[in-house]
Amino acid sequence: GENVEQHPSTLSVQEGDSAVIKCTYSDSASNYFPWYKQELGKRPQLIIDIRSNVGEKKDQRIAVTLNKTAKHFSLHITETQPEDSAVYFCAAASYGKLTFGQGTILTVHP
Amino acid sequence: DSGVTQTPKHLITATGQRVTLRCSPRSGDLSVYWYQQSLDQGLQFLIQYYNGEERAKGNILERFSAQQFPDLHSELNLSSLELGDSALYFCASSSRGTNSYEQYFGPGTRLTVT
Repeated sequence: GENVEQHPSTLSVQEGDSAVIKCTYSDSASNYFPWYKQELGKRPQLIIDIRSNVGEKKDQRIAVTLNKTAKHFSLHITETQPEDSAVYFCAAASYGKLTFGQGTILTVHP
Repeated sequence: DSGVTQTPKHLITATGQRVTLRCSPRSGDLSVYWYQQSLDQGLQFLIQYYNGEERAKGNILERFSAQQFPDLHSELNLSSLELGDSALYFCASSSRGTNSYEQYFGPGTRLTVT
């Protein structure tokens, strides 16, 4: 089955800096890669996604890149703000199943 | 608010008991997914239903079962509960069938087994 590895497990940045979270996946059949943000005790919220026929997608301060050959994708957050502090999960979809990475705890210091 | 609702919000029960968690998908969504989130296992996919039929199965224990009803709400039944079943249980819905496009999560049910 699919295996998704996510790094780093924790990330601490100063407000205004950029943050990058990286994921690798194993199943070449995976064709959809969403990113979720989860605040403490809350539901995961879809913040951006990318499909396998696209290399990059941007939405305001967040962007995702995908390298299908290397089987890795990354989340980039620019001009970070304290409200960006949360756990971020990447996921890969294959045959109807989403497999999640282990999560990255992002802390943005004012 | 994602439009996905889950009840109850919290559930405390004893080992060996059985509970039922309920999920209503977003209006128009035909697919429902169940996930378990615990501290040491992250977000684990349990099972998917599409328009009343089981479509995909993940790491779901035999003690757990689910179904989706004609009005598209879904229930997750957990029986012979163990301490290790304590977790957050999320359901998510999407409008697609086989492919997991754009899943939207409900607020979750926190299950505590004592």
